[in-house]
Amino acid sequence: DQQVKQNSPSLSVQEGRISILNCDYTNSMFDYFLWYKKYPAEGPTFLISISSIKDKNEDGRFTVFLNKSAKHLSLHIVPSQPGDSAVYFCAASPRTQTGANNLFFGTGTRLTVIP
Amino acid sequence: EAGVTQFPSHSVIEKGQTVTLRCDPISGHDNLYWYRRVMGKEIKFLLHFVKESKQDESGMPNNRFLAERTGGTYSTLKVQPAELEDSGVYFCASSPSTGSGELFFGEGSRLTVL
Repeated sequence: DQQVKQNSPSLSVQEGRISILNCDYTNSMFDYFLWYKKYPAEGPTFLISISSIKDKNEDGRFTVFLNKSAKHLSLHIVPSQPGDSAVYFCAASPRTQTGANNLFFGTGTRLTVIP
Repeated sequence: EAGVTQFPSHSVIEKGQTVTLRCDPISGHDNLYWYRRVMGKEIKFLLHFVKESKQDESGMPNNRFLAERTGGTYSTLKVQPAELEDSGVYFCASSPSTGSGELFFGEGSRLTVL
């Protein structure tokens, strides 16, 4: 039973426009959420995270929004660049205790930014 | 600083054979995790070491999988005997005992069982 869901397997966006990647979760015990980015033949690399005590976290072109009541989070990339083309994984953790959290991942969304 | 390294990058074996995957975490990271991604599905948790102790092995599929972390440094994941459904990419990740909760992943070991 998948606890973190990314229902869009792929997304194509024109360079310079906004990319919005969505993620839903079912476990109300999750309180820490992360986005990872993965290029082919590489491991996932951390992008941005958000704690359940916040509803927004911004880092440069990347912003993550969290809607706890809807159990939904999204990643906004603006402006999108061709180098952003990758698979994006949403992940969630049931604890905020640092450094020792098992992450539950979604199936990923492949983003293609068209030049 | 070296990242998480995994070996081999790709292994092709026949059903019934044995394969051992190795992971060297980032130096000083007490936490070491094994994950697996099968056929474009989600990245699924297998187990978690804190130093040399297994903290959580609830994701291990069955007793054909054996993970060790002797001395709390590198870890091995052995599959014996391998079955077709074991094919996938095995990721290792590590994290420090105190930190933001972020895991640092290796490039993965792709296992193909024929």
